[in-house]
Amino acid sequence: QQQVKQSPQSLIVQKGGISIINCAYENTAFDYFPWYQQFPGKGPALLIAIRPDVSEKKEGRFTISFNKSAKQFSLHIMDSQPGDSATYFCAASSGNTGKLIFGQGTTLQVKP
Amino acid sequence: DAGVIQSPRHEVTEMGQEVTLRCKPISGHNSLFWYRQTMMRGLELLIYFNNNVPIDDSGMPEDRFSAKMPNASFSTLKIQPSEPRDSAVYFCASSLMGTGNSPLHFGNGTRLTVT
Repeated sequence: QQQVKQSPQSLIVQKGGISIINCAYENTAFDYFPWYQQFPGKGPALLIAIRPDVSEKKEGRFTISFNKSAKQFSLHIMDSQPGDSATYFCAASSGNTGKLIFGQGTTLQVKP
Repeated sequence: DAGVIQSPRHEVTEMGQEVTLRCKPISGHNSLFWYRQTMMRGLELLIYFNNNVPIDDSGMPEDRFSAKMPNASFSTLKIQPSEPRDSAVYFCASSLMGTGNSPLHFGNGTRLTVT
């Protein structure tokens, strides 16, 4: 079954701290792993993405770590800011279909 | 670029009524996706089109749901008859496939409430 499991469901972090969200997948055919950020009343928007041929990708304060053997990947938000408060979704797809399977989402609250 | 445009933003209807949700994808994009978001089930893919042709509708809950894409700039998701359990936020997304993993661009959704 194609499934992506995400944890934790919710996360509270102090301003300046590190936010870590984890995802695990089952389908070894997945070859594209994006993270999406969603603010209330808005649609999800792509934040950062990785392919399984690299173990880490960094864009500004956001880093994806990827462990192919464990079939896990995680999002790290360094120096978390109140403006990062949102819901984060991991996702996965295979081939070039664009058919994304999403995790359940993590609601992040960054306290000032 | 105006992004993916969905209408209406909010829809309240009574059980048994027909509901039609509309989507205008980003110009030039060749793939369109309909997702449903609920607290219990998260983001579920309902159906997606490539070059206006339905490719995978395995996520469509039941025959009450139907989707069409008559041209590259317009798609509809119809629920007939609607039921309270259909209450959710419905998102349309588009992308340009065939050039690697192009990101999905989501609209701001239609919040459907069926009473």
